[in-house]
Amino acid sequence: GQQLNQSPQSMFIQEGEDVSMNCTSSSIFNTWLWYKQEPGEGPVLLIALYKAGELTSNGRLTAQFGITRKDSFLNISASIPSDVGIYFCAGQLAGSARQLTFGSGTQLTVLP
Amino acid sequence: SAVISQKPSRDICQRGTSLTIQCQVDSQVTMMFWYRQQPGQSLTLIATANQGSEATYESGFVIDKFPISRPNLTFSTLTVSNMSPEDSSIYLCSGETLAGVGYNEQFFGPGTRLTVL
Repeated sequence: GQQLNQSPQSMFIQEGEDVSMNCTSSSIFNTWLWYKQEPGEGPVLLIALYKAGELTSNGRLTAQFGITRKDSFLNISASIPSDVGIYFCAGQLAGSARQLTFGSGTQLTVLP
Repeated sequence: SAVISQKPSRDICQRGTSLTIQCQVDSQVTMMFWYRQQPGQSLTLIATANQGSEATYESGFVIDKFPISRPNLTFSTLTVSNMSPEDSSIYLCSGETLAGVGYNEQFFGPGTRLTVL
C-alpha cells in the first residue's frame, strides 16, 4: 500500500522549545490531516489541510500542505508538558475513496 | 466535528471466541471506518463500513474474520471472530464529516483495547 514517511520517529525537547515534524510520500494527496494521540485515547484531529501551499494555524500549532502535494509539516511553538503524545500525519490520496493513509507517528516528550 | 463512542472500552477474551465492538456517533456522518492499531504503532485500515450494504475490506482483512454492520448513519459494529492472540490490538472506529464541499474531516473514537489469551 501507499506509505507516508514521517520523521522524526521520536523527539525529546525542553519545555519552551519549538518542534517540527514532517511527512513525505511519493504519491500525491488531496488532503493532509494532523492528529495527536495520548495514551488510552483515540487520535484527536489537530489541523486539516486541503490545498497545496496552504498554511493553517491552531493556537501554537502550524501546519502546511506542501506545494508538490506530496508532503506536509507540523510545527509546535513554545512547547509545554501537555504537548506530550504521539503525532500522526494522515493523507487522503488523490483519486482514493476517502480512506486515510497514516504516517508512522512522532513520539514527543517534553522535559520540564 | 463528531463525538464518537465505543463499547466496550477494553476486554480480555479467550482464544476461539468472538467479540463485537459497537461504535456510536452523535451526528450523521458520511463515512465510517474501522482501524486496528498496535500500541505505539500506526493505524491500519480494516474496512469502510457502508450503510445498508456490505463493508469494503482492505487487503489482508476478510469479512469472515471481521464482519461489519452499519444499519444507519450513526452506528456500526465490528466483530472479531474466532480470536487468536494475534488479534490482540486496539480497534478504532472513525467517522467522516463534511466541513464543506470537498472538505472532509475524520474523527476517531477512544478505541477498544482487546487482549486475547
